[in-house]
Amino acid sequence: AQSVTQLDSHVSVSEGTPVLLRCNYSSSYSPSLFWYVQHPNKGLQLLLKYTSAATLVKGINGFEAEFKKSETSFHLTKPSAHMSDAAEYFCVVSKSGYQKVTFGTGTKLQVIP
Amino acid sequence: EAGVTQFPSHSVIEKGQTVTLRCDPISGHDNLYWYRRVMGKEIKFLLHFVKESKQDESGMPNNRFLAERTGGTYSTLKVQPAELEDSGVYFCASSQATGSNSPLHFGNGTRLTVT
Repeated sequence: AQSVTQLDSHVSVSEGTPVLLRCNYSSSYSPSLFWYVQHPNKGLQLLLKYTSAATLVKGINGFEAEFKKSETSFHLTKPSAHMSDAAEYFCVVSKSGYQKVTFGTGTKLQVIP
Repeated sequence: EAGVTQFPSHSVIEKGQTVTLRCDPISGHDNLYWYRRVMGKEIKFLLHFVKESKQDESGMPNNRFLAERTGGTYSTLKVQPAELEDSGVYFCASSQATGSNSPLHFGNGTRLTVT
């Protein structure tokens, strides 16, 4: 069984300040972890993925995430928020090597000018 | 390369009516998935096709939902008869191969409203 918990349903940051979106996972086997982003009226876009290689994963648009097995976490960070980062972000887990994924409930990121 | 395309983008129907959603995956992608997000809840898996075969349909909520992928290209998801609780956003995704190194490419979704 696998699940993800996104600890914040809404996060608000000022433009130019750091972004932290939190995700904890539960998995009875070696997981693959992903972050997806959905902008309004758009599809889900893959930001980055962890598949048992380097624990610090760099993605698109300056985002990165660190896999911490001891904390069962995969938090998403960005050093400096941009207005275009305002969107909903989903943490996703799957069994390593499989594509049947489980989504978190999503975190809506608001960026204040 | 064209992405995953879903039709229609929005659909509003009355309870008891039938609706058919369509998904065109990326050309050459054998794997096609349907997911659904009911209002305020998480995105949930519905089913998975490999070419024209249903690989996993464990997420289909009940027999009012019928998914097909004749010829292994586009897929349809029919809801008949629709109920109020079917309202939500239906996402389609495709991938070239199974395995998490081949990521899922999602469409923009179809927003279904049942009144």
